[in-house]
Amino acid sequence: KQEVTQIPAALSVPEGENLVLNCSFTDSAIYNLQWFRQDPGKGLTSLLLIQSSQREQTSGRLNASLDKSSGRSTLYIAASQPGDSATYLCAVKNFGNEKLTFGTGTRLTIIP
Amino acid sequence: NAGVTQTPKFQVLKTGQSMTLQCAQDMNHEYMSWYRQDPGMGLRLIHYSVGAGITDQGEVPNGYNVSRSTTEDFPLRLLSAAPSQTSVYFCASTPGQHTGELFFGEGSRLTVL
Repeated sequence: KQEVTQIPAALSVPEGENLVLNCSFTDSAIYNLQWFRQDPGKGLTSLLLIQSSQREQTSGRLNASLDKSSGRSTLYIAASQPGDSATYLCAVKNFGNEKLTFGTGTRLTIIP
Repeated sequence: NAGVTQTPKFQVLKTGQSMTLQCAQDMNHEYMSWYRQDPGMGLRLIHYSVGAGITDQGEVPNGYNVSRSTTEDFPLRLLSAAPSQTSVYFCASTPGQHTGELFFGEGSRLTVL
């Protein structure tokens, strides 16, 4: 059974810093991994999708990496801004399984 | 382009009542799904559909029914609400079953008393 873990559960950093969010998973036979952002009371917004054959994806100040052999993904946020404050979730899709397995997220606060 | 639209945003039910959460998408996506989000448990798949007329169970289907008569709509029915169904429900869609990127609605917060 796939399990996805995100540590820490909460993180506070000063504005302007670069930061890394972590996601680990137990079953490396994944189809893809997706990073989402969730603002309070809102739905999830897809940030980056990494296919199993890829090592990383970039969008603006965001960079996500994938290491299947170690069961890890990281989301790198450069030059953080107060608007980046949100909960970040990663989700994994395994071969032969319809569902995404979600982590419980990291709540990020950027301090102005 | 509205994306994925869910109604209602908030609902309070009494135990035993039934109701339907509506979900509509205007992106012509074949694949739609319902998740519930509970504190400390992440999101869990309830039901999904790979196209009109086709539905299947997810991880936590008990107490819920779905139908998919059109590509656009995927309603979730609670047959007899229980306090354990208090949760935030999200509808999501993606162009194809394995295409990947999932688009979510803004959620429906349900409280069962």
